[in-house]
Amino acid sequence: AQSVTQLGSHLSVSEGALVLLRCNYSSSVPPYLFWYVQYPNQGLQLLLKYTTGATLVKGINGFEAEFKKSETSFHLTKPSAHMSDAAEYFCAVRSEYGNKLVFGAGTILRVKS
Amino acid sequence: SQTIHQWPATLVQPVGSPLSLECTVEGTSNPNLYWYRQAAGRGLQLLFYSIGIDQISSEVPQNLSASRPQDRQFILSSKKLLLSDSGFYLCAWSSGQIFTDTQYFGPGTRLTVL
Repeated sequence: AQSVTQLGSHLSVSEGALVLLRCNYSSSVPPYLFWYVQYPNQGLQLLLKYTTGATLVKGINGFEAEFKKSETSFHLTKPSAHMSDAAEYFCAVRSEYGNKLVFGAGTILRVKS
Repeated sequence: SQTIHQWPATLVQPVGSPLSLECTVEGTSNPNLYWYRQAAGRGLQLLFYSIGIDQISSEVPQNLSASRPQDRQFILSSKKLLLSDSGFYLCAWSSGQIFTDTQYFGPGTRLTVL
């Protein structure tokens, strides 16, 4: 069965600093991978997704993620954090042969001024 | 463009009372529809998904049920709420192949069962 592990339930960075949100997945077949962002009391918004092709995926708001098959990872990065990036971030995986989108537990990002 | 609505936005209900949450999608036809629950400090748990009218799959056994009386309407119900039903309920839709294409989420309903 597919599973997703997000390392760290909370992350605090300074404004302008690098943002790195870690996601590791398990899947016995090539996965489809997603990152979603959730602002307080709102639904989830897609940041980016990987299905096939280029392993470095660029998303909205300056975020990008790299699919590394050998490491079973799909970490999310942004070179310079903004205050508006404060939110909860969810990694999700869907196996081509599975029938569910499995979400990680989420990482709450705090941006300090 | 497509939009997804959920109501109510917040709800406080006593234990044992019934529940009805509604989700509607505009601007698309024959969408795949999903109900998720998000408990505090936890990820999203898929409750139900539907690929068409009256075609609903349940992911977890519980006292909740779902119905899809119209193409773009998805309803989450319960006859008797439990304390453990408290949480943030999210409806989502996608087009194309279920679980492969991007899911678009509604604003959510925060349910508190007292």
